Amino acid sequence: LAKTTQPISMDSYEGQEVNITCSHNNIATNDYITWYQQFPSQGPRFIIQGYKTKVTNEVASLFIPADRKSSTLSLPRVSLSDTAVYYCLVGDKPDAGGTSYGKLTFGQGTILTVHP
Amino acid sequence: EAQVTQNPRYLITVTGKKLTVTCSQNMNHEYMSWYRQDPGLGLRQIYYSMNVEVTDKGDVPEGYKVSRKEKRNFPLILESPSPNQTSLYFCASSLSPYPGGRYEQYFGPGTRLTVT
Repeated sequence: LAKTTQPISMDSYEGQEVNITCSHNNIATNDYITWYQQFPSQGPRFIIQGYKTKVTNEVASLFIPADRKSSTLSLPRVSLSDTAVYYCLVGDKPDAGGTSYGKLTFGQGTILTVHP
Repeated sequence: EAQVTQNPRYLITVTGKKLTVTCSQNMNHEYMSWYRQDPGLGLRQIYYSMNVEVTDKGDVPEGYKVSRKEKRNFPLILESPSPNQTSLYFCASSLSPYPGGRYEQYFGPGTRLTVT
């Protein structure tokens, strides 16, 4: 069963760069690593996804080392509006007796608080 | 507009009274999934569906049923709700879960259920 481990919480200040690391020691060869952002009382929203090395989009960067057993979400110059819960997600395999490979397991997420 | 809709958004009910939470997506996605979110436990997958008439258990399926008779709809059924099913529920869809969570999941706005 694939699992992810993230810090429970992090604090930062406006304008700083924030790096959130996720550990996924049992990641499978075909699995992608996806990060989601969630604001209170809203559904999670896709931020970024990668398979290996580095991926960058308009809101974040994702660093994945060669062994793929961890990944780091980097948020440049955070603002108060980046205060949210951030989830790392990798693919999963069904438990014994399962019939398909659609099981996805979220970690507990990292509560990021950005201070003025 | 591409979206996932859930109804109702809020529901207060009593123990044992059957209820259905509807979920619908307009993106022709094959994959749909239900999650529950509880404080300190993150998002936990209840059931998922790879396509019409194909469903499978997630991490916390006890007490829930689902059906996928049409591609766009994936209702969550609680036949005899209990207070421990009080939670925030999210429906999500994606093009496909293959490979390893490759495609972005789109989440609905959530349904807050209280069972007394």
